[in-house]
Amino acid sequence: GESVGLHLPTLSVQEGDNSIINCAYSNSASDYFIWYKQESGKGPQFIIDIRSNMDKRQGQRVTVLLNKTVKHLSLQIAATQPGDSAVYFCADLVGGSYIPTFGRGTSLIVHP
Amino acid sequence: KAGVTQTPRYLIKTRGQQVTLSCSPISGHRSVSWYQQTPGQGLQFLFEYFSETQRNKGNFPGRFSGRQFSNSRSEMNVSTLELGDSALYLCASSLAGRAGELFFGEGSRLTVL
Repeated sequence: GESVGLHLPTLSVQEGDNSIINCAYSNSASDYFIWYKQESGKGPQFIIDIRSNMDKRQGQRVTVLLNKTVKHLSLQIAATQPGDSAVYFCADLVGGSYIPTFGRGTSLIVHP
Repeated sequence: KAGVTQTPRYLIKTRGQQVTLSCSPISGHRSVSWYQQTPGQGLQFLFEYFSETQRNKGNFPGRFSGRQFSNSRSEMNVSTLELGDSALYLCASSLAGRAGELFFGEGSRLTVL
């Protein structure tokens, strides 16, 4: 089975709000985590990653938080824009593996 | 730099037929992975090739096969198509040592009738 899962299938927000997308993982050996964004009709696109020796990593308008104690990962998007509407996937990678395992995805809908 | 290119983008087949999908990775990327994406199962890993060798394989039947050429281009083949094979097939490439940072193509949408 999958080691990574998403808490909610759909998240609706208003433009300008902050969005938080959650993800749980079960494999304590996972040491690398990645977020991908998939827009309609396109392949997934790498957004941001974080290693298990970190708790937080920031990018442009995005922040990933990692809580290893409860095996929880979140993606925060600041000032959400209509262009952020997409399906977001978390993925994890166990040390030494070449193959990330993807969660089911959360559909983010941004209302203008 | 050109992205990952997949062909064909769309195709329709009937049960029992076979199909071959092609993927050209980003220049310099030697690892190519294939994923099947369906609404019910999400992204399911098929196989991964590196330097013309299948390095990893997912839990798919033997009807699903692939190969990689010396220029890193890859093909996957599905024989004896079933209705359940209808899906978006995604190819992704990555640099050696950057396993989690996948660069995906736009996929090949296969419909089996």
